[in-house]
Amino acid sequence: GENVEQHPSTLSVQEGDSAVIKCTYSDSASNYFPWYKQELGKGPQLIIDIRSNVGEKKDQRIAVTLNKTAKHFSLHITETQPEDSAVYFCAANNYGGSQGNLIFGKGTKLSVKP
Amino acid sequence: DGGITQSPKYLFRKEGQNVTLSCEQNLNHDAMYWYRQDPGQGLRLIYYSQIVNDFQKGDIAEGYSVSREKKESFPLTVTSAQKNPTAFYLCASRLAGEETQYFGPGTRLLVL
Repeated sequence: GENVEQHPSTLSVQEGDSAVIKCTYSDSASNYFPWYKQELGKGPQLIIDIRSNVGEKKDQRIAVTLNKTAKHFSLHITETQPEDSAVYFCAANNYGGSQGNLIFGKGTKLSVKP
Repeated sequence: DGGITQSPKYLFRKEGQNVTLSCEQNLNHDAMYWYRQDPGQGLRLIYYSQIVNDFQKGDIAEGYSVSREKKESFPLTVTSAQKNPTAFYLCASRLAGEETQYFGPGTRLLVL
């Protein structure tokens, strides 16, 4: 089945710098890759997603890139702000298993220092 | 106001006690999911249901049970067989034919 690895587990940046979080997946059949942001004590919120038919997607300060050949995808946050501090999860759909299920990485705790 | 609601926000369980966590959605979503979240472990799938009156075990179903009698409701029971129930429990739902899962606010379960 699908396996998703996420790095780094913690990331600390200065306000205004960029942050990059990387994930790798194992099942080449996976074709949907969402990213979630989870603030302390709350449920994860979808911030951006990408499908395997595109290589990059942007939404204001957030972008996701996908390399299908290497089976990895990355979240890029530019001009970071203190409110970006949270735990970020990547996921891949378990296409080879039960369709509609997501396999999650273990999360990256991002701290943005003012 | 559409969305996914979970109750209670905090729940305390005594030894040997079964407790039930509520998850309700008014998004008309077909599939519903329960995840367990522990520090550093990410999200682990407990049970999921694609349609009413049907559900499947996830990766860590032992010590848990669910029911799906109504489309909008997917309660999770943490039984006394679950020896380490302290965790943050998240419910999610998804519309059939779409990939995105939407999460509720979570319930934190603590053992007394």
